[in-house]
Amino acid sequence: DADVTQTPRNRITKTGKRIMLECSQTKGHDRMYWYRQDPGLGLRLIYYSFDVKDINKGEISDGYSVSRQAQAKFSLSLESAIPNQTALYFCATSDLSAGDTGELFFGEGSRLTVL
Amino acid sequence: AQRVTQPEKLLSVFKGAPVELKCNYSYSGSPELFWYVQYSRQRLQLLLRHISRESIKGFTADLNKGETSFHLKKPFAQEEDSAMYYCALSRDSSASKIIFGSGTRLSIRP
Repeated sequence: DADVTQTPRNRITKTGKRIMLECSQTKGHDRMYWYRQDPGLGLRLIYYSFDVKDINKGEISDGYSVSRQAQAKFSLSLESAIPNQTALYFCATSDLSAGDTGELFFGEGSRLTVL
Repeated sequence: AQRVTQPEKLLSVFKGAPVELKCNYSYSGSPELFWYVQYSRQRLQLLLRHISRESIKGFTADLNKGETSFHLKKPFAQEEDSAMYYCALSRDSSASKIIFGSGTRLSIRP
């Protein structure tokens, strides 16, 4: 089955460390997204990309950067992690060819803990 | 500003009882509304969208523009409905502009 895969699934790190979360998809979708989930706050959009040359900030992009290495790969980086970036991070895709009806396809999530 | 509000963090009902998960939104345009669900140890996934006017797993949701609401309803709850539910709004029918509510955890008691 076509899938959205995130690595690592769990990561514990220390304040100030650089962290990269990776996302790859075999769905053939053009659009990819990074969300952050915090209890009581729901999901908030960090960055999104419509294709390899198109990167856009979401509502909470400060402290994060992304790289769209290929249509199938979209990485999220924390250059200098801080404790309030402890959260569950989700990668998602959507299908432009289907008219981008608003359906997102999510990965399983990457739980990041910053000590 | 666009906003999606789910006033209940936790909703607990008995099996067989009716369920209503509330969702209110603020948006000046014509929104597309969705319900996403996350079952235990599964991925977040689309449950239903208002433009489809469909019933999925017995759930329905009607967009009420006058009350700016999109409540999710099911007449008879089942134990397998226990999950986290998110209401979401798309500002221009595009997934790139989706705003999520804070979520409601539904617990079905046997």
